[in-house]
Amino acid sequence: SQQGEEDPQALSIQEGENATMNCSYKTSINNLQWYRQNSGRGLVHLILIRSNEREKHSGRLRVTLDTSKKSSSLLITASRAADTASYFCATGLYGGATNKLIFGTGTLLAVQP
Amino acid sequence: DGGITQSPKYLFRKEGQNVTLSCEQNLNHDAMYWYRQDPGQGLRLIYYSQIVNDFQKGDIAEGYSVSREKKESFPLTVTSAQKNPTAFYLCASSTRTSGGVGANVLTFGAGSRLTVL
Repeated sequence: SQQGEEDPQALSIQEGENATMNCSYKTSINNLQWYRQNSGRGLVHLILIRSNEREKHSGRLRVTLDTSKKSSSLLITASRAADTASYFCATGLYGGATNKLIFGTGTLLAVQP
Repeated sequence: DGGITQSPKYLFRKEGQNVTLSCEQNLNHDAMYWYRQDPGQGLRLIYYSQIVNDFQKGDIAEGYSVSREKKESFPLTVTSAQKNPTAFYLCASSTRTSGGVGANVLTFGAGSRLTVL
């Protein structure tokens, strides 16, 4: 079963614009991560935010987490054509003895030059 | 360079055949995972292993088998019992979480695309 759902499913913007993607999840989490996937390739980790954090930055990326609403957002500022990819949120489940992530369905971002 | 190597990149299989996908990592990670990716469905966990000679079923383990005889290797066999095996398969690894406090960051391989003819 999918834990996370990204919104929108697809997003098309112009270079230089900001891109915002949202992720909602169902159960309590320990952390939430965002990954990027170029077409036909493996995923690459972008950023991790813990359940006791509300906001985190990494370069042009800004992630927020609202545990009361069970949601997170990823903001990419000043987008570039090279940012074109699929973006996935993944939740680390709270209290489990296992070490696994549950991935959402992804947002396909297209940045037009 | 440290990383995860998956092979083959593309694989074609006839119905009724078993196939094995290779996954090797030189990151000294304890935990390894197999995910399946179908269009529009994100990633679904097939099997994972936190330590050598131990592995657990994920959400969609039926029709798949794994082994973990070495720390570096976590091969996945897609058996003939898997009714819809055409998909993109991703292997990943991570350091082992202590104390059951959740998941660490995953490093992924480049994937293997399996097509059943």
